[in-house]
Amino acid sequence: DIQMTQSPSSLSASVGDRVTITCRASQSISTYLNWYQQGPGKAPRLLISSASTLQGGVPSRFSGSGSGTEFTLTLSTLQPEDFATYYCQQGFSSPFTFGQGTKLEIK
Amino acid sequence: QVHLQQWGAGLLKPSETLSLTCAVYGGSFSGHYWSWIRQPPGKGLEWIGEINHTGGTNSNPSLKSRVTISVDTSKNHVSLNLTSVTAADTAVYYCASMIRGIRVFDFWGLGTLVTVSS
Repeated sequence: DIQMTQSPSSLSASVGDRVTITCRASQSISTYLNWYQQGPGKAPRLLISSASTLQGGVPSRFSGSGSGTEFTLTLSTLQPEDFATYYCQQGFSSPFTFGQGTKLEIK
Repeated sequence: QVHLQQWGAGLLKPSETLSLTCAVYGGSFSGHYWSWIRQPPGKGLEWIGEINHTGGTNSNPSLKSRVTISVDTSKNHVSLNLTSVTAADTAVYYCASMIRGIRVFDFWGLGTLVTVSS
């Protein structure tokens, strides 16, 4: 199985800050990397597919980059609704695996 | 736009079989794969398995011996059976649509909490 490791596991930030979350794969996954946002008690929501393709309706302050084994999710100007848990997921090979999550909290 | 409505028993005893169903509304049923994903309380996400509209399946090896995923194309329903459950199977179970090719979960059901307790 491909292991996905996110860092940090938790992050405290303020409204207006810029934050970056990193996701590393245990082997090369090209750009088969997706990012999800999950609010408390809610289902995950797809933000970015194929490492950098922003989904419709997702604010442009979200961006993704990377290829191979290292990927980043950047939130350029944090808004109150962005405080949630973020997961990366590899779609390169089955079983499809997720990172352990990064919990973004208000400072 | 795809809408996923899921249901099933929320409380099971150890050794029983978990059964969940997901109804798919909108979108192209044949154009997606249909997956089940679970999330234990306070923990991360685990992919359970998937099925396509012709009934072809693929499951996580960690659960494969206990998992059956089936499809009813006449109703656009996808079902999950997980046998011999234990407390470790307590989780929120989600159905989700997956875009073929890039393997991304684009739409999710609301989730069903399944608790296994004696």
